[in-house]
Amino acid sequence: QITLKESGPALVKPTQTLTLTCSFSGFSLTSTGVGVAWIRQPPGKALEWLGFIYWDDERRFRPSLKSRLTITKDTSKNQVVLTMTNMDPVDTGTYYCAHSVIYDSDLHYKYYFDYWGQGTLVTVSS
Amino acid sequence: QSALTQPASVSGSPGQSITISCTGTSSDVGSYNLVSWYQQHPGKAPKLIIYENTERPSGVSNRFSGSKSGNTASLTISGLQAEDEADYYCYSFAGGFTHVIFGGGTKLTVL
Repeated sequence: QITLKESGPALVKPTQTLTLTCSFSGFSLTSTGVGVAWIRQPPGKALEWLGFIYWDDERRFRPSLKSRLTITKDTSKNQVVLTMTNMDPVDTGTYYCAHSVIYDSDLHYKYYFDYWGQGTLVTVSS
Repeated sequence: QSALTQPASVSGSPGQSITISCTGTSSDVGSYNLVSWYQQHPGKAPKLIIYENTERPSGVSNRFSGSKSGNTASLTISGLQAEDEADYYCYSFAGGFTHVIFGGGTKLTVL
């Protein structure tokens, strides 16, 4: 059974750096074709993909946020960490991590999110 | 990075069918058979209901179905039930610089 759970501060000040941790179980981020993504949702607004980290340690980021984002993994702890610098009130929202099947054993791309964390609300305010 | 285009809202009565469209471009929806759909109830995490345009995960009702034609994907919900009232998001692989992209979301109201 795959589970994911986000943790981190509920409140950060403008210009500060946000660090969120996604702790997961039921899969290994060393397994070929597996990825973990970070997705956020401002209050009342749509989902917004932030970035991926893949089994092979490759990373991909939302182009408009690439300069502010870092994603790392600790496979021994089954954790993925998102760091976002220079936080602004517009970054307020619920942040989710999600398990993604990138491709299958036949090397066919899949790219869907089959398991999600419960999300964590981050408010950016002074 | 613009979102895939979805109607802001749709509505239907119990028992009816509704369809939510998701329009992209030849660079994303039109190029890959990798559209997925997510259902999100208020205060909850999204749930996968369709992947690879038409596939339904185990445990998802067969009242949910997906299709794609050209640059537009669609989600159809048949036999509407009160519990279907939620927000629905499409998502597609886009490759290249964009990589992946979500739709703007559609609020389904069951009248």
